[in-house]
Amino acid sequence: AQKITQTQPGMFVQEKEAVTLDCTYDTSDPSYGLFWYKQPSSGEMIFLIYQGSYDQQNATEGRYSLNFQKARKSANLVISASQLGDSAMYFCAMRDPTGANSKLTFGKGITLSVRP
Amino acid sequence: NAGVTQTPKFQVLKTGQSMTLQCAQDMNHEYMSWYRQDPGMGLRLIHYSVGAGITDQGEVPNGYNVSRSTTEDFPLRLLSAAPSQTSVYFCASSYSLAGVYGYTFGSGTRLTVV
Repeated sequence: AQKITQTQPGMFVQEKEAVTLDCTYDTSDPSYGLFWYKQPSSGEMIFLIYQGSYDQQNATEGRYSLNFQKARKSANLVISASQLGDSAMYFCAMRDPTGANSKLTFGKGITLSVRP
Repeated sequence: NAGVTQTPKFQVLKTGQSMTLQCAQDMNHEYMSWYRQDPGMGLRLIHYSVGAGITDQGEVPNGYNVSRSTTEDFPLRLLSAAPSQTSVYFCASSYSLAGVYGYTFGSGTRLTVV
């Protein structure tokens, strides 16, 4: 079974600085997908970025980039130029590689606080 | 607005009561799922569906039933509520190739069982 590990305690970053949120995963399947979601205090889940296991380049979406190191099984989220609105819980997730694309396995999340 | 709509947003139940959490999407997504979120646990999959008439169990299915009679709707039924089912419930949907599009989540239902 696949597993996602997010072990960082609450993270703090100064506004306008970059921050890296760690995620490691475990799967025996060569085909998988990795996601990052943001959950602000209002509670909704917001899709940020996706990385496929066969993608040659690291994914980027605006200020978000994914540092994908396949051999180390890590998929860290990098947020550049942090903003106050980035304060939220961040979840790493992996799509079930064994069949239907309807299943995600989530990590426990990391709380990010951006200081002015 | 297109998206995933969950109702109700808040609910308090007494132990032993039953209820249905509603989930509807208007994006013609094949796949729909229910997750529960508990403090320090991330989100865990309860049930999922790959299309109308097809459902399967996830990681924590006990105490919940689902059905999928239409593409748009995927209700979650609590058969006999227990305090352990106090949680925030999220419904999500996606295309079959969910990669670059991600999964779209509803706004959640906060359920308290007393």
